[in-house]
Order: sequence, then C-alpha cells, then structure tokens
Amino acid sequence: TQLLEQSPQFLSIQEGENLTVYCNSSSVFSSLQWYRQEPGEGPVLLVTVVTGGEVKKLKRLTFQFGDARKDSSLHITAAQPGDTGLYLCAALYGQNFVFGPGTRLSVLP
Amino acid sequence: GAGVSQTPSNKVTEKGKYVELRCDPISGHTALYWYRQSLGQGPEFLIYFQGTGAADDSGLPNDRFFAVRPEGSVSTLKIQRTERGDSAVYLCASSPRQGWPYGYTFGSGTRLTVV
Repeated sequence: TQLLEQSPQFLSIQEGENLTVYCNSSSVFSSLQWYRQEPGEGPVLLVTVVTGGEVKKLKRLTFQFGDARKDSSLHITAAQPGDTGLYLCAALYGQNFVFGPGTRLSVLP
Repeated sequence: GAGVSQTPSNKVTEKGKYVELRCDPISGHTALYWYRQSLGQGPEFLIYFQGTGAADDSGLPNDRFFAVRPEGSVSTLKIQRTERGDSAVYLCASSPRQGWPYGYTFGSGTRLTVV
C-alpha cells in the first residue's frame, strides 16, 4: 500500500490548457514537497509546503496543502511543452521523505 | 561541490557480478540518502546517513546491498551478486541535516542494467 497516492497517473494535454494533479494520503504530514523529474535526470524540487491550507505560487504553478495536511494539489495554468515531465509529491515520514508514484504529464505543442 | 554528483551515469553488468555506485554530495551537507527508482515509479528509499553512520537502512532490500560513507562526505552503494531485478536508476540526494523539512537535492542518478 502506497503511503502517498497521486492522480492521474498519466495526463496528456495541448499547449495552453490548464490542469490539476493531486497527491493524497490517509496520514498527516508536517512537510510536503513537489518535484519535477525529466528523463535521465534526478527530481528537482519545486516547492515545500508546511502549513495546512497553505497556497504557494511559482509563476504558472500553484501549490496547495490541504487544511488537514493529508493532501496537496498542483495546478498549472496555460501549460507549455517545457512543463512535460514526471511530477512527484513527497512527504516527510519520520526522518525521511517518502515519494508518491508520480503523475506523468505530456504537453503537446 | 555545487550539486550532487553520481558516477557512473550508466552501468551495465552481468548477472552475478559486483558493482559499486558512487555519490558525492553537496559540500557541507551532513545527511545523504540513497533511493532506487524503477521504470514508471517514484523513488523508493534505501538508506540514509547522518555523517558517517547509517542512521536508517530499513529500505535495503536484502543483504546483497550495502552502503558506506567512511569520511562523512562521499558515499558508495555496493551490490553483490547482482540480479536482473536490481536493474533500476539509483538516485542519491543530500540535505543540510537529518530531518531537514525543505526537501532534498538529487543527483542525476546511475542507471544500472543487469543482463
């Protein structure tokens, strides 16, 4: 059983569309991150959220941490081909981060 | 260094052979982590070091896997008697300290293929 679940597993959209991907758990976390991973590279940290209900914006990306600190969402506005990649959420569990299985996003020109 | 460096970037080995994978973390980062990522999956925790000692090795799949960090900087992940199921990308990450809540810096990984 995965500690973190992500949905959808795959998403293919046209350039300019908006999208939201989700990260869910039955556990409460003190800290949650979103990473993006491109082929042949390691995950790159996008954002950390630590407060329930927190919203952070990074250019066209909006991240939200659920009030109960069990879930998070990532919304991308006007997606571009450069947004293509594997989006991973990770949560601090004990002393280590546990990762979700990821959402593979493909943005077509 | 400026980032986390992993070598080699690719390794092809025959079943039954021994391999070593190297990780050079960001200078000054005391916590170092090894993860394994299979195709289409998220990274799975293997082991982490705080300084020279393995603080948590609960993710190592069996006793064929071992890791060291003798001087508290560079770490080596060692796999004995490799099996085809060991094929994956092995990722190393570092953070300023144990329990750092703001995420990790990852290397580009070593893609291990056992044939």
